[in-house]
Amino acid sequence: EVYLVESGGALVQPGGSLRLSCAASGFTFSNHNLHWVRQAPGGGLEWISYISGTSTAISYAASVRGRFTISRDNVKASLYLQMHSLRDDDTGVYYCARGSTGWFDTWGQGTLVTVSS
Amino acid sequence: EIVLTQSPATLSLSPGERATLSCRASQSVSDHLAWYLQKPGQAPRLLIYDASTRATGIPPRFSGSGSGTDFTLTISSLEPEDFGIYYCQHRRNWPPLTFGGGTKVEIK
Repeated sequence: EVYLVESGGALVQPGGSLRLSCAASGFTFSNHNLHWVRQAPGGGLEWISYISGTSTAISYAASVRGRFTISRDNVKASLYLQMHSLRDDDTGVYYCARGSTGWFDTWGQGTLVTVSS
Repeated sequence: EIVLTQSPATLSLSPGERATLSCRASQSVSDHLAWYLQKPGQAPRLLIYDASTRATGIPPRFSGSGSGTDFTLTISSLEPEDFGIYYCQHRRNWPPLTFGGGTKVEIK
């Protein structure tokens, strides 16, 4: 069975940094494009970043470009999101999702990031 | 950026009733539209992609239709497990990938 498990969420002060991880199992990791999607408390879904299977293609939403960096380790079957200069409006649940065709066919359970002083 | 607008915001229905949800795109997305269901405390789940194709394991009471800018998700007879928030999402000319604001289907 396909699994994605996020970790690394925490309470962080504005301006701080955090690194999220997503461990994958049950599928050939390097064959799939992966994404990060977040959800503010009580809010809707926001796509924030994408990385191709070989890391040759990467993109970001305008709201995080220049502050967040997506990466992956195909040997460890893991996806990462390095977040810098965190702001109050970055607060939310961060999901990793598998999506080779642009559709999100598998999601993790999410990890909560809270940005607050 | 393509904006997706979902309506209604909330739909109050009883189990066994038919649900009709709408998603309108600010410009044509062809058939590049998907639907997800998110239950409280859970991650979203893919229901429909390419406007009308059911994802693996999704029962036939869920059907999607539409193309261009107007799309509909129909649930022919609501089951208790169908209540939650439904989101549409497009993949036309991405990035970015964007979601609609959601329709909450609640028990009447």
